Amino acid sequence: KQEVTQIPAALSVPEGENLVLNCSFTDSAIYNLQWFRQDPGKGLTSLLLIQSSQREQTSGRLNASLDKSSGRSTLYIAASQPGDSATYLCAVYSGANNLFFGTGTRLTVIP
Amino acid sequence: NAGVTQTPKFQVLKTGQSMTLQCAQDMNHNSMYWYRQDPGMGLRLIYYSASEGTTDKGEVPNGYNVSRLNKREFSLRLESAAPSQTSVYFCASSRGQGYEPQHFGDGTRLSIL
Repeated sequence: KQEVTQIPAALSVPEGENLVLNCSFTDSAIYNLQWFRQDPGKGLTSLLLIQSSQREQTSGRLNASLDKSSGRSTLYIAASQPGDSATYLCAVYSGANNLFFGTGTRLTVIP
Repeated sequence: NAGVTQTPKFQVLKTGQSMTLQCAQDMNHNSMYWYRQDPGMGLRLIYYSASEGTTDKGEVPNGYNVSRLNKREFSLRLESAAPSQTSVYFCASSRGQGYEPQHFGDGTRLSIL
């Protein structure tokens, strides 16, 4: 069974700092990887989806990379803002309609 | 832009009671999903519907049933609620299976006493 790990579980940074969130998975046979954002009491918002054939995807201040062979993905957030405070989840799709989620990194950006 | 709408937002049940969680999407998506989110465990797939008229079990289906009423609506039923089913339940939808981004509702917070 696919295992997805996100470290650290929580992270606090001052506003304006660049930061990297990490995601690792045990089975490299994936079709794609998604990064989500979850605000307290809310659902998940899809940020970026990287297909297995891609190395990275960018959206605004966010850049996600994928190294399938080593089972790793990173989410880079440039010039962090207080509005970026949320929990960030990664999820891998390995087929059979099963999306495997990590437990998330709770980010706090301090003004 | 409603997206994925879940009702109710909160519910408290007693052990043994039954209830149905409702989900509707207005994006004309083919696939719909039910997840539960528990502290320290991440989201886990309960059931999914790849297209209208089909449903399949996910990772944790025991104690649940689903109905894909039409293309828009996908409901989750707890026939006899147990305390272990206390969780936050999320419905999601996507245009296709797996390869497309999933769009989530805001969740139903369910407590079973």
